[in-house]
Amino acid sequence: GENVEQHPSTLSVQEGDSAVIKCTYSDSASNYFPWYKQELGKGPQLIIDIRSNVGEKKDQRIAVTLNKTAKHFSLHITETQPEDSAVYFCAATDNFNKFYFGSGTKLNVKP
Amino acid sequence: DARVTQTPRHKVTEMGQEVTMRCQPILGHNTVFWYRQTMMQGLELLAYFRNRAPLDDSGMPKDRFSAEMPDATLATLKIQPSEPRDSAVYFCASADRGHYGYTFGSGTRLTVV
Repeated sequence: GENVEQHPSTLSVQEGDSAVIKCTYSDSASNYFPWYKQELGKGPQLIIDIRSNVGEKKDQRIAVTLNKTAKHFSLHITETQPEDSAVYFCAATDNFNKFYFGSGTKLNVKP
Repeated sequence: DARVTQTPRHKVTEMGQEVTMRCQPILGHNTVFWYRQTMMQGLELLAYFRNRAPLDDSGMPKDRFSAEMPDATLATLKIQPSEPRDSAVYFCASADRGHYGYTFGSGTRLTVV
C-alpha cells in the first residue's frame, strides 16, 4: 500500500515569514493529494488539494506543488499569521476510497 | 455550511463498558469513514462505507469494535468491551463520490479509565 512521509514534525516561524511542509509518497499510482489543517479540539479541514495532472495550485497565501517524478509534494504558506498555527496533514490516494495520511506537522507562528 | 455531526463530543467510561459513538454524515454524501487519532499513531482508518455497505474494516480490531450504518443519516461505531488503550479521538468523515475531499466531524474524545 501507499506510504506517506511528512516533514518536519514541528515548525516554528516568525509572523510574516513563510512556512514549507514537505511530503513524499511511495505509490506512483497516487493521483490526488489533499492538505488538511487541524486546529485544537477540531476535526481536520481541507485547505487545498492538487491532482496529478497539475504541478502547482495557489489559493491566496497557500500553495501546493507536486513533483510526480520525485514523488513529493509540498505546502507553502506565505506571510504567516498567528491563526495559521495548527497541525497540518498531507494525504495521498489513488482512488476515491482510501486516503493515506502523513504523520502531521505542528506549525507555530510566533507573533 | 454543511457539516458532519458527531455525538457525544466527550465520553469517559470505565474499562469493560460498552461505548457507542454516532455520526450524521452530510446529506447526500454516500461514503462514510471512521478514523481514530492518537499521538502515537496519527490518523488511522478504521472502516468505511459506501451507500451504507461496508467496504473495508481491516483497520478495526474485530473482536471488540463494530461499525454499522442503520440508515443513510446515521453511522455508529461501537466498542465492547472498552479498554484503556482505546482512549483516543474518533473522527467520522463523509464524502460525495463526485468529489475527492473528505469533510470531517469534530470528533468524539474517548477516555477509558
